[in-house]
Amino acid sequence: AQSVTQLDSQVPVFEEAPVELRCNYSSSVSVYLFWYVQYPNQGLQLLLKYLSGSTLVKSINGFEAEFNKSQTSFHLRKPSVHISDTAEYFCAVSLKAAGNKLTFGGGTRVLVKP
Amino acid sequence: DADVTQTPRNRITKTGKRIMLECSQTKGHDRMYWYRQDPGLGLRLIYYSFDVKDINKGEISDGYSVSRQAQAKFSLSLESAIPNQTALYFCATSDPGTGESGELFFGEGSRLTVL
Repeated sequence: AQSVTQLDSQVPVFEEAPVELRCNYSSSVSVYLFWYVQYPNQGLQLLLKYLSGSTLVKSINGFEAEFNKSQTSFHLRKPSVHISDTAEYFCAVSLKAAGNKLTFGGGTRVLVKP
Repeated sequence: DADVTQTPRNRITKTGKRIMLECSQTKGHDRMYWYRQDPGLGLRLIYYSFDVKDINKGEISDGYSVSRQAQAKFSLSLESAIPNQTALYFCATSDPGTGESGELFFGEGSRLTVL
């Protein structure tokens, strides 16, 4: 069975500073990788995903994540955060041929301070 | 209006009571899911349905049941609620045309407290 580990439960960061959220997964078969974001009192929404091809994927709001197969990691980064990036971020994996049944990590809460 | 709507948004109940959480969607997706969110544990899959006649258990289905009344409606029931079912519950949908690589669309969640 697959599993996802998010190494940091909380990450405080100052506005305009960079942030990195770490995600490692384990699976014996090929996976798709996702980052979802949950803003306060809202449901989750897709931030970005890796399916195949280039190992660096980017979102429209400045986040990027890099798939590293040898380290089974999919870390999320942003070079300069805004107050509006305060949210909880979830890494997730989906097994190929498993029908969108995502396995989520425990989440990382990002608090951006002015 | 939200594409995925959950009711109620908040519910406080007592141990032993029967509770139903409802989910309706206007996205036209065949696939629907119920997840439970607990602090530090992320989201865990309770049940999922790939069409009206298809119901499948997820990783934590004990103590829960579901009903797929129509393509657009998927309900989660707790027959006899217990305190450790206190959690935030999410309904989600996906488009089977996108396969396993597709996006899940989540409702805003139903916060359940069992006293």
